[in-house]
Amino acid sequence: ELKVEQNPLFLSMQEGKNYTIYCNYSTTSDRLYWYRQDPGKSLESLFVLLSNGAVKQEGRLMASLDTKARLSTLHITAAVHDLSATYFCAVDKWGTDKLIFGTGTRLQVFP
Amino acid sequence: EPEVTQTPSHQVTQMGQEVILRCVPISNHLYFYWYRQILGQKVEFLVSFYNNEISEKSEIFDDQFSVERPDGSNFTLKIRSTKLEDSAMYFCASIGQGNTGELFFGEGSRLTVL
Repeated sequence: ELKVEQNPLFLSMQEGKNYTIYCNYSTTSDRLYWYRQDPGKSLESLFVLLSNGAVKQEGRLMASLDTKARLSTLHITAAVHDLSATYFCAVDKWGTDKLIFGTGTRLQVFP
Repeated sequence: EPEVTQTPSHQVTQMGQEVILRCVPISNHLYFYWYRQILGQKVEFLVSFYNNEISEKSEIFDDQFSVERPDGSNFTLKIRSTKLEDSAMYFCASIGQGNTGELFFGEGSRLTVL
């Protein structure tokens, strides 16, 4: 069964600092997605990573995918308060049309 | 920008009652999904729907759940006899053409079962 794990589960960081969220998954997949969720809100698509070595950047966030290691990272550069949210990775399960979501990382950025 | 819309945004119901959650996917999308999220937990797949039939369902999606697309636009999730543990946020999602697998989610319907 495909399992998707994120760490850390909770991250409190100061504005201006850098940090990385990790997403590990247990079986082969070439497609990985990052979503952001604000409290009580829906899931907003951040990145779609479709191949080994894919790297995407948007503002202060950069996502990468290593399919051999079954690992994706979401790197935060010079964090700002507006980035406070919960971040989920999700993996496309081969042979199916469903996404398996990770446990989520709740990020709080403080002054 | 096209979006997935869901109604109601919040429904409170008594245990044992039937509930129907409605979704209007993005108009040219072909694949439709329901996911749920119990408060503070991760997002869980319930069911996928393509070409007017269920393509996959999870173990959560038991006989109490059903989906249909009655009129070519609405996509509904019915829970026949709600239980306390059905309390969650239910998200509808759809995927378009040129499929990268990226799901577009609606704003969600919060279901509270008392």
